[in-house]
Amino acid sequence: AQSVAQPEDQVNVAEGNPLTVKCTYSVSGNPYLFWYVQYPNRGLQFLLKYITGDNLVKGSYGFEAEFNKSQTSFHLKKPSALVSDSALYFCAVIFGNRDDKIIFGKGTRLHILP
Amino acid sequence: EPEVTQTPSHQVTQMGQEVILRCVPISNHLYFYWYRQILGQKVEFLVSFYNNEISEKSEIFDDQFSVERPDGSNFTLKIRSTKLEDSAMYFCASREGWREKQFFGPGTRLTVL
Repeated sequence: AQSVAQPEDQVNVAEGNPLTVKCTYSVSGNPYLFWYVQYPNRGLQFLLKYITGDNLVKGSYGFEAEFNKSQTSFHLKKPSALVSDSALYFCAVIFGNRDDKIIFGKGTRLHILP
Repeated sequence: EPEVTQTPSHQVTQMGQEVILRCVPISNHLYFYWYRQILGQKVEFLVSFYNNEISEKSEIFDDQFSVERPDGSNFTLKIRSTKLEDSAMYFCASREGWREKQFFGPGTRLTVL
């Protein structure tokens, strides 16, 4: 079955340190990968996407993600965390040629400690 | 940046009542979606809509659910007879073209008592 996994429920990082939020996927074809962020009582905000091209994708708020086909991963990274980065992060995938529903991971709560 | 809007922000209803959740997608977008997020759980796809018809729906989207685009701007989700387990945050989303990112609205929190 096609799916996306976020193995960590929560990630704690000290402010100023680099952060990584992990995501892996399982797919039979070419995936189209996204990261969304959800702040408290807010909707989902788009951060970045990988469709094709360079494996390293840069997005909003200084975030980037690296597509690794051999490891079927799309980890979200940021060189220096800010307290304001604390939020719920969702990895998401679109599969298939026709249907483009987003399949979300369960989310990872990121806590940036001052 | 253009936004997807949703109304109301919070809807409280009695079990068995009908509710209609409203969304205004971004004006030049062609593909529309509803998702839901039960408290503390992941976001789940409900239905996609294109060219005035449903293009895909999930197992959650049973006969109690329906969607409609009654005019050129609104996109609605109707739940005919709400159940307690329908309590969730419902997100509308839209996108312009193939493989483009989906823009999400702020959500409607539905509470079924």
